[in-house]
Amino acid sequence: GAGVSQSPRYKVAKRGQDVALRCDPISGHVSLFWYQQALGQGPEFLTYFQNEAQLDKSGLPSDRFFAERPEGSVSTLKIQRTQQEDSAVYLCASSLRGDKREKQFFGPGTRLTVL
Amino acid sequence: GESVGLHLPTLSVQEGDNSIINCAYSNSASDYFIWYKQESGKGPQFIIDIRSNMDKRQGQRVTVLLNKTVKHLSLQIAATQPGDSAVYFCAETGFGSGNTGKLIFGQGTTLQVKP
Repeated sequence: GAGVSQSPRYKVAKRGQDVALRCDPISGHVSLFWYQQALGQGPEFLTYFQNEAQLDKSGLPSDRFFAERPEGSVSTLKIQRTQQEDSAVYLCASSLRGDKREKQFFGPGTRLTVL
Repeated sequence: GESVGLHLPTLSVQEGDNSIINCAYSNSASDYFIWYKQESGKGPQFIIDIRSNMDKRQGQRVTVLLNKTVKHLSLQIAATQPGDSAVYFCAETGFGSGNTGKLIFGQGTTLQVKP
């Protein structure tokens, strides 16, 4: 079956540009998470959606980061005025029921490089 | 072979040997733990999970042990194969009344399997 997909897989942006990263979760999954993974590190939480509601955005590093999931399925992570420190892999994960103790399925990630 | 994830980030084992990857988690109130495998250029892949009311859980060739007294988690891989070469992350969640299920990842341990 189809897993979590993300696009684009690679994105190169010039400093100051805006970027939009897309996540297609597993069909029917209630919960959707975004994580940021710096080179050589573990993923770090950015934000969480339950259906279309953004219930936790405590991990977003600045107000330049914005995420949405308007219809409770596809989600977009937008970064405005990108900076070099935004360079990382952005991972999306989904889980079925929204249970706090439930395995999350990850997509392949989008590698963002800011020049 | 044995590794403490935070202090010995690379574990090298001979094909066919058993591997033990260790992880020290941070929050005594965490009640759900997951091990993920991440290959280069891919997203984390679920291996096995365990809830805090258990001490041990077994899967196919893998066993997770949980010691809540010392906040320690380990992943044992039996008969390690070249395909097991990857970075392994432990993750915790489930603590706090406001918890949304976000995962807190450890630093990760690189497993290298020598043929």
